[in-house]
Amino acid sequence: DTEVTQTPKHLVMGMTNKKSLKCEQHMGHRAMYWYKQKAKKPPELMFVYSYEKLSINESVPSRFSPECPNSSLLNLHLHALQPEDSALYLCASSQGLPGVSGNTIYFGEGSWLTVV
Amino acid sequence: AQTVTQSQPEMSVQEAETVTLSCTYDTSESDYYLFWYKQPPSRQMILVIRQEAYKQQNATENRFSVNFQKAAKSFSLKISDSQLGDAAMYFCAYRTSEIQGAQKLVFGQGTRLTINP
Repeated sequence: DTEVTQTPKHLVMGMTNKKSLKCEQHMGHRAMYWYKQKAKKPPELMFVYSYEKLSINESVPSRFSPECPNSSLLNLHLHALQPEDSALYLCASSQGLPGVSGNTIYFGEGSWLTVV
Repeated sequence: AQTVTQSQPEMSVQEAETVTLSCTYDTSESDYYLFWYKQPPSRQMILVIRQEAYKQQNATENRFSVNFQKAAKSFSLKISDSQLGDAAMYFCAYRTSEIQGAQKLVFGQGTRLTINP
């Protein structure tokens, strides 16, 4: 079972709103990721959590705030976004076992975000 | 930094025929992993096939196979007996070495594959 679940599927928010995207996996994976994908472009890495600690932040603006409450959950808190932040946000996970190579990264279906 | 290049923005093939998607990459690492992901209109990224750089044997998954040329840094995907459900955007991806138990995927720009009935 390689399932990563993201909610909501679609989100429309104003520039002054605060909202959150949620991601859940029950595969026992210890690494979780947020990617951003604009239309007709490849996904771009935003954040990586490993063992519930932030291990990679790809210089993402502070209006995006990740949170990993436990090993199964990953949130992305959104505040004061701009219209250019409208995109598909993909969550992903992998086993993330240190020293174990070959961990495949599995993706969720994504959350479509529109900022108006 | 690693880079991945897909030189074919779009390709089309007749149903039941074979098509090959190209991918080249650049890296100074000796041990790495390469992947092909498929992204249909539903937008979910689906793993198609993966290749370990230390393995000389080309990976195969049913109708999907790769031609991995390590010295040339080339990693092409062959789809045999193309089916309508294969229509999607295909991304080639390079997985970097681990950073604190996590990896980064570097994606190519993608190739949009159309299957003609």
